[in-house]
Amino acid sequence: KAGVTQTPRYLIKTRGQQVTLSCSPISGHRSVSWYQQTPGQGLQFLFEYFSETQRNKGNFPGRFSGRQFSNSRSEMNVSTLELGDSALYLCASSLEGVGGKNIQYFGAGTRLSVL
Amino acid sequence: AQTVTQSQPEMSVQEAETVTLSCTYDTSENNYYLFWYKQPPSRQMILVIRQEAYKQQNATENRFSVNFQKAAKSFSLKISDSQLGDTAMYFCAFMTNYGGSQGNLIFGKGTKLSVKP
Repeated sequence: KAGVTQTPRYLIKTRGQQVTLSCSPISGHRSVSWYQQTPGQGLQFLFEYFSETQRNKGNFPGRFSGRQFSNSRSEMNVSTLELGDSALYLCASSLEGVGGKNIQYFGAGTRLSVL
Repeated sequence: AQTVTQSQPEMSVQEAETVTLSCTYDTSENNYYLFWYKQPPSRQMILVIRQEAYKQQNATENRFSVNFQKAAKSFSLKISDSQLGDTAMYFCAFMTNYGGSQGNLIFGKGTKLSVKP
């Protein structure tokens, strides 16, 4: 079974631009979570989607948004990029229910650099 | 609010020896899950071990085992027979996964483990 796939792996943008990151979960997984990882703040939860609905959201400004499609693929968008948005963005998928054991499986991440 | 604390920013161990990484957490919940994830230089986050709070028995996965002390809110990871491939950042994480907390893993700041030959 293929793992969680994130594209692109690396991205360079300039301040003020917007960016879209993509995440394809493990087949059969309907829950997708997004995290931001920085040296200063560590790993922080952005949001979680299940069956195309955002169920949970972290403490990030409205410039950070996401969505999930009917095939469970998810995208996150950051508008009006700031230098502080430079980070590794991680996506994780999980299988709902007892069989899933609440385990999140992570992709390799998208490294975003804002210049 | 739930928090996870890893008090050891860096640790090192000789190959084939045993090392223990510490983690404490704070929550008022009774049902939750605890995890250790490993992030090698490749940056891929990999699950090491999982513990359910309602289970008293400590989880084990080959060379990895935990010491789960629910009353003390402590969840340490023991790595036996350390191997060079164990070199990585290790993150302790907590999740409740209900009531608006779905999909939200709360991570500690991590412990950088170096295994020396």
